[in-house]
Amino acid sequence: AQSVTQLGSHVSVSEGALVLLRCNYSSSVPPYLFWYVQYPNQGLQLLLKYTSAATLVKGINGFEAEFKKSETSFHLTKPSAHMSDAAEYFCAVTRSGGYNKLIFGAGTRLAVHP
Amino acid sequence: DTEVTQTPKHLVMGMTNKKSLKCEQHMGHRAMYWYKQKAKKPPELMFVYSYEKLSINESVPSRFSPECPNSSLLNLHLHALQPEDSALYLCASSPGTSLAKNIQYFGAGTRLSVL
Repeated sequence: AQSVTQLGSHVSVSEGALVLLRCNYSSSVPPYLFWYVQYPNQGLQLLLKYTSAATLVKGINGFEAEFKKSETSFHLTKPSAHMSDAAEYFCAVTRSGGYNKLIFGAGTRLAVHP
Repeated sequence: DTEVTQTPKHLVMGMTNKKSLKCEQHMGHRAMYWYKQKAKKPPELMFVYSYEKLSINESVPSRFSPECPNSSLLNLHLHALQPEDSALYLCASSPGTSLAKNIQYFGAGTRLSVL
């Protein structure tokens, strides 16, 4: 069964530093993978998606993620953090077979300090 | 436009009240979803509607009653809720439920407090 594991429930970076949020998936077939961001007291916003096309996926707000099949990873990166990037980030995978349910990771809270 | 609109933004209700949450999308999506999210947790799927028919009920208690009047609207009727039902309720929509079409867009949510 498909699942995702987000390594690190909390990540703290300095403004201007590299952001790296880790996500590993388990899937017996090529998955569809997503990153969502949730700002305080808001809903989820789709950052980017991998749907078996290019392995390097560019999203909104300067974020990108690389699908690495050999490592079963889909880590999210941003070269330079902004204060406004502080939020909860969820990695998700679509389970194939039957109903294609969206399976979320536990989430990573990103803090950005001056 | 990838907007899903939810109303109200906040709702406080007693355990004997009846209330409804509303969700609307005008993206032409044919699948709509209700999720429940507790603090510091990922969203949990409650219901899925596909082409206005209920296709998935994730063993949700009957005090939650979904309704899909048309392809753009999704309601969640609430009755005799418990304090533990207090949460953020999120609506989402996607073009469809097949693997290629299950790209979900979320609303801002309704923050529900049950007293």
